[in-house]
Amino acid sequence: EAGVAQSPRYKIIEKRQSVAFWCNPISGHATLYWYQQILGQGPKLLIQFQNNGVVDDSQLPKDRFSAERLKGVDSTLKIQPAKLEDSAVYLCASSFLWGASYNEQFFGPGTRLTVL
Amino acid sequence: KNEVEQSPQNLTAQEGEFITINCSYSVGISALHWLQQHPGGGIVSLFMLSSGKKKHGRLIATINIQEKHSSLHITASHPRDSAVYICAVSNTGTASKLTFGTGTRLQVTL
Repeated sequence: EAGVAQSPRYKIIEKRQSVAFWCNPISGHATLYWYQQILGQGPKLLIQFQNNGVVDDSQLPKDRFSAERLKGVDSTLKIQPAKLEDSAVYLCASSFLWGASYNEQFFGPGTRLTVL
Repeated sequence: KNEVEQSPQNLTAQEGEFITINCSYSVGISALHWLQQHPGGGIVSLFMLSSGKKKHGRLIATINIQEKHSSLHITASHPRDSAVYICAVSNTGTASKLTFGTGTRLQVTL
């Protein structure tokens, strides 16, 4: 079974530029998560999709971050314009179930973003 | 205070040593997860447990619900165990949302 795919793996941009990340979850997984992990910290949930609907985006900085999952499969996360403090690893994860007590999340390799 | 606290933050051990990483949480949970993150790599789920103890190879995870505490043990540690180990909890009521600790960076030397 293929895992969660993310691209690109690395991205370096200058502040005020825009950037987009792509995620392809495990086939059949209805729930998709985007996390931001700043160096030395645990991942922080940015947005959670159930199929193509948003379940939780309470910690997404909506003035500059946007995400979509139009067909309930692939997802893109965009930052526009980027700030220095957006430098982090952006992790995508997916899970088969939503709301279940036991709900294992499978993580992609992440995209390391450096904003100069 | 974070909802999920881990200790120690950093740990260095010699090959063969028995290692313990601790996790305490302050919220009601439906499950606790132990995850492994290698440098430059993604995150791999090691254990998901809601009670008792689980074992997989040289890894053992225990949880005490009453004390809101979990431990991850590594027996006969090896340099390939060097990674960041992250504790995360699924909160009751929002079972699909994980709250993460900051991780424990483990380095096992020869």
